[in-house]
Amino acid sequence: GQQVMQIPQYQHVQEGEDFTTYCNSSTTLSNIQWYKQRPGGHPVFLIQLVKSGEVKKQKRLTFQFGEAKKNSSLHITATQTTDVGTYFCAHSGAGSYQLTFGKGTKLSVIP
Amino acid sequence: SAVISQKPSRDICQRGTSLTIQCQVDSQVTMMFWYRQQPGQSLTLIATANQGSEATYESGFVIDKFPISRPNLTFSTLTVSNMSPEDSSIYLCSTRGGRTEAFFGQGTRLTVV
Repeated sequence: GQQVMQIPQYQHVQEGEDFTTYCNSSTTLSNIQWYKQRPGGHPVFLIQLVKSGEVKKQKRLTFQFGEAKKNSSLHITATQTTDVGTYFCAHSGAGSYQLTFGKGTKLSVIP
Repeated sequence: SAVISQKPSRDICQRGTSLTIQCQVDSQVTMMFWYRQQPGQSLTLIATANQGSEATYESGFVIDKFPISRPNLTFSTLTVSNMSPEDSSIYLCSTRGGRTEAFFGQGTRLTVV
């Protein structure tokens, strides 16, 4: 599938600070998903966005899908040590079940 | 939802040998996916396995190196053949509930020495 660029690669924040990771594509995406992988763990699904301009919230996490459906972001408000892990965006082409993952953003939270 | 039991969870293998990884799903699923995740890297799709047909491999992965079996709708195996240190990685099986979320096994951490 088409590649998506995910930035930053790493982010170190003080506990309580906010965090944002971005996922960008050169072409229009059918959908975008976000996963969290804790150290030593496997990816766990967080959310799927499919509509232009869509915004979804899960407690301190806010997910956005751009109007042009070419970019997405995950924002965490007031990070906690439990937020530590790598956050991946992923997408599948229209009619496809295969997911293509971004390179991920590794979040470290300093207590 | 789907719960996937993957084993072994980790192994240390001698170069030149083969390792078979098993994944058991708690429900019947059409497609299963096998990924490789090198240390600190993203997930790379190795192949898609449908029951009753040969697996479809992604560019850079071949059946002779990564043979896959899919004998029924709840089970699949991936074999890493003739291993070299470059095969040291995490191997993950996965399935999807339609075109929504993907579920993953716990992963197999393989070290080849």
